[in-house]
Amino acid sequence: DQQVKQNSPSLSVQEGRISILNCDYTNSMFDYFLWYKKYPAEGPTFLISISSIKDKNEDGRFTVFLNKSAKHLSLHIVPSQPGDSAVYFCAASSTSNDYKLSFGAGTTVTVRA
Amino acid sequence: NAGVTQTPKFHILKTGQSMTLQCAQDMNHGYMSWYRQDPGMGLRLIYYSAAAGTTDKEVPNGYNVSRLNTEDFPLRLVSAAPSQTSVYLCASRLQGANFGQFFGPGTRLTVL
Repeated sequence: DQQVKQNSPSLSVQEGRISILNCDYTNSMFDYFLWYKKYPAEGPTFLISISSIKDKNEDGRFTVFLNKSAKHLSLHIVPSQPGDSAVYFCAASSTSNDYKLSFGAGTTVTVRA
Repeated sequence: NAGVTQTPKFHILKTGQSMTLQCAQDMNHGYMSWYRQDPGMGLRLIYYSAAAGTTDKEVPNGYNVSRLNTEDFPLRLVSAAPSQTSVYLCASRLQGANFGQFFGPGTRLTVL
């Protein structure tokens, strides 16, 4: 039972443009959301997170938006750079479940020069 | 700090064989986890440990773990099956911390 869903397996974007990655979740107990970035043959690395008490968090070129009523979050990358080409995983956790992470299937982003 | 290290990087097993995947971290993190990554499935939690001496599993049989100390969290495949072909990722974090986990580079395991 996939509680976190990333419905777009891949995204291709031109360098300098905006990348928008989407994520939906079903468990209303989730109260913390994270994005991870993964390059081939490496482990995922933490990118950005957001608490359920906020609706936006920004870190440089990366912004995460949370819409709790829609159980939806998105990651915006502006501007996209070739080094952003990677797999991006959305993850969610719950204070009541000891912060165990539930992951989406991932979105492969390709930034074209 | 080396962070989270995993060995081996690659391995091929035959059905029925057993194998231990090693994971170690040097950040004094209390919480450690094992995930498997499969195409189209994302990362799925297999086992986790909140502290040395405690473990809990998330998926049915086929795997076993031990947490004898803070640093090491080996994952054992008792009798390997082709369905266990996957990339296995180990992760650690501070106990109770809510800013994500640190992952190792993974072990790519193929069961023939």
